[in-house]
Amino acid sequence: DTEVTQTPKHLVMGMTNKKSLKCEQHMGHRAMYWYKQKAKKPPELMFVYSYEKLSINESVPSRFSPECPNSSLLNLHLHALQPEDSALYLCASSQEGQGPWEQYFGPGTRLTVT
Amino acid sequence: KNQVEQSPQSLIILEGKNCTLQCNYTVSPFSNLRWYKQDTGRGPVSLTIMTFSENTKSNGRYTATLDADTKQSSLHITASQLSDSASYICVVRGASNYQLIWGAGTKLIIKP
Repeated sequence: DTEVTQTPKHLVMGMTNKKSLKCEQHMGHRAMYWYKQKAKKPPELMFVYSYEKLSINESVPSRFSPECPNSSLLNLHLHALQPEDSALYLCASSQEGQGPWEQYFGPGTRLTVT
Repeated sequence: KNQVEQSPQSLIILEGKNCTLQCNYTVSPFSNLRWYKQDTGRGPVSLTIMTFSENTKSNGRYTATLDADTKQSSLHITASQLSDSASYICVVRGASNYQLIWGAGTKLIIKP
């Protein structure tokens, strides 16, 4: 099984709402990632978790709050977002350590902030 | 500055024809180079990963080449199919274990 699943597929939220994006993988990967992708642009790295600990935060605004409850799950909590945060949010996972490890991407959550 | 540049920006070809996409990078140190296929609104799917010592790698109708001396890579698609319509993104991993440097992609359209 090389699948990364993400829910929901689509999300529309107001600027005062609180919502969460979820990501799950069962490949035994110990590195998990959140990316943000705007239309016609490559994905931008937001966060990296390594062994369930936050390893990289690419200066992401605090209205995005990641969480890694266990080695298979990754959440992204959203609060007080802005319309410019509308994008495709991608989750990925990979093996840890040195090596040309594949990053497996989920299908993404299309987020629209109104 | 670490950069990955791809050409052409977009390409339209007829079904059944072959095509080649180009990638030039200025990433140092170099660890590996990947080609991803991304359908609109979907997550990227890996086609190949190539390390410094690999010159050619195939995955079905996709063949990637790497010239580490000139820092160039290409992706050749043989006998194109309508389902090949997508963006193809060249991605280079440098020193960091996690951070990938992404090209802007080539948007490929296959016409019947």
